[in-house]
Amino acid sequence: EIVLTQSPATLSLSPGERATLSCRASQSVGSFLGWYQQKPGQPPRLLIYDASNRATGIPARFSGSGSGTDFTLTISSLEPEDFAVYYCQQRSNWVTFGGGTKVEIK
Amino acid sequence: QLQLQASGPGLVKPSETLSLTCTLSDFISSRSDYWVWIRQPPGKGLEWIASIHYRGNTYHNPSLKSRVTISVDTSKNQFSLKLSSVTAADTAFYYCARSRDGYNSFFDSWGQGTLVTVSS
Repeated sequence: EIVLTQSPATLSLSPGERATLSCRASQSVGSFLGWYQQKPGQPPRLLIYDASNRATGIPARFSGSGSGTDFTLTISSLEPEDFAVYYCQQRSNWVTFGGGTKVEIK
Repeated sequence: QLQLQASGPGLVKPSETLSLTCTLSDFISSRSDYWVWIRQPPGKGLEWIASIHYRGNTYHNPSLKSRVTISVDTSKNQFSLKLSSVTAADTAFYYCARSRDGYNSFFDSWGQGTLVTVSS
């Protein structure tokens, strides 16, 4: 099983700041990595697929990068609605998710 | 826009079988789409359970495979999950979702989720 480790567990930032979230895989997943946003009481929403492609309707402030074992989700300037939990997911070998990073208001 | 709605009992006794159904607002018979169950214990992370194609091809999380049955009913645009021999560890929000272009692609449409509690 491919284990995805997300860091940090919690990120405390202010609106307008840049957020950088990390996802590290226990073995290479190529570019088969995606990112989701989840708000309380809601299902996850797909943000990024195949490491760097924005899903339909996702604002340009969200960007993904990386390949192999190290990936990054960047939110260029946090909007109030961006404070949420973010998960990475790999599809290289079955499906696994990372443990999540909570982006909270500082 | 595709909508998915999971339904089923919210309370299941230990050792019994959890049964859930997901109803789609559109036809389930898409050539490339797979239909997926994912769960999330309250306050915890996500776990993929299984995927099914409308033609019946199935894929299961190896850690749950022995207890999981996933099926599809194309006449009703529904797919279903059965999880046997449940314990408290199976208490979770259960989501149904769509996986485009393969059983393990990315999940671009999700239902709201239904909480299933395992308790006597």
